[in-house]
Amino acid sequence: GAVVSQHPSWVICKSGTSVKIECRSLDFQATTMFWYRQFPKQSLMLMATSNEGSKATYEQGVEKDKFLINHASLTLSTLTVTSAHPEDSSFYICSAPGDLKTATNEKLFFGSGTQLSVL
Amino acid sequence: QKEVEQDPGPLSVPEGAIVSLNCTYSNSAFQYFMWYRQYSRKGPELLMYTYSSGNKEDGRFTAQVDKSSKYISLFIRDSQPSDSATYLCAERFSGGYNKLIFGAGTRLAVHP
Repeated sequence: GAVVSQHPSWVICKSGTSVKIECRSLDFQATTMFWYRQFPKQSLMLMATSNEGSKATYEQGVEKDKFLINHASLTLSTLTVTSAHPEDSSFYICSAPGDLKTATNEKLFFGSGTQLSVL
Repeated sequence: QKEVEQDPGPLSVPEGAIVSLNCTYSNSAFQYFMWYRQYSRKGPELLMYTYSSGNKEDGRFTAQVDKSSKYISLFIRDSQPSDSATYLCAERFSGGYNKLIFGAGTRLAVHP
């Protein structure tokens, strides 16, 4: 299957600082990537859809100025949590559809996630 | 009413048991159905992917979809301690390119 790499796997930061999370498709190109957020013992909630070369599409209730998404290449999307606060502490996971060439594009593959803790 | 309902558990079974995990959904427009396994503090891993009613088998795992009842199931045979994880069902529309709607996830513990 397609491999999606995400890092860092965990990060601790002070309130008010910004944190960048990277998501890479290692062996395929992804024009679209998805960013999810997951609170403890809860399901994944889609935050935004990242589109290569264009603006991201944010879900209702997600602040686009707080969660900056950049999809600068066909293999890399980044999520920057700006001016982080303790309530932003959560598990963030990126995902990408598989490769068109291998017919896995209808399936969604996930990164290993980033645990963000804001002090 | 949530679009996808899934009992969060936890579900505890002895090693070797048959496990049944279930989800119900409300939107008949869902066309694709998936089961993901998620270990603690890891990203979900795709286990099963179906788009039609009926059964699909892969090793010890069987996914079952009943569109008439809007009910999907995942069966795990000969469960192992390594199967202990959270299992998430997910659905999406035919045109909703990979925008998945997830269930809450069921926590499964298989004890030796």
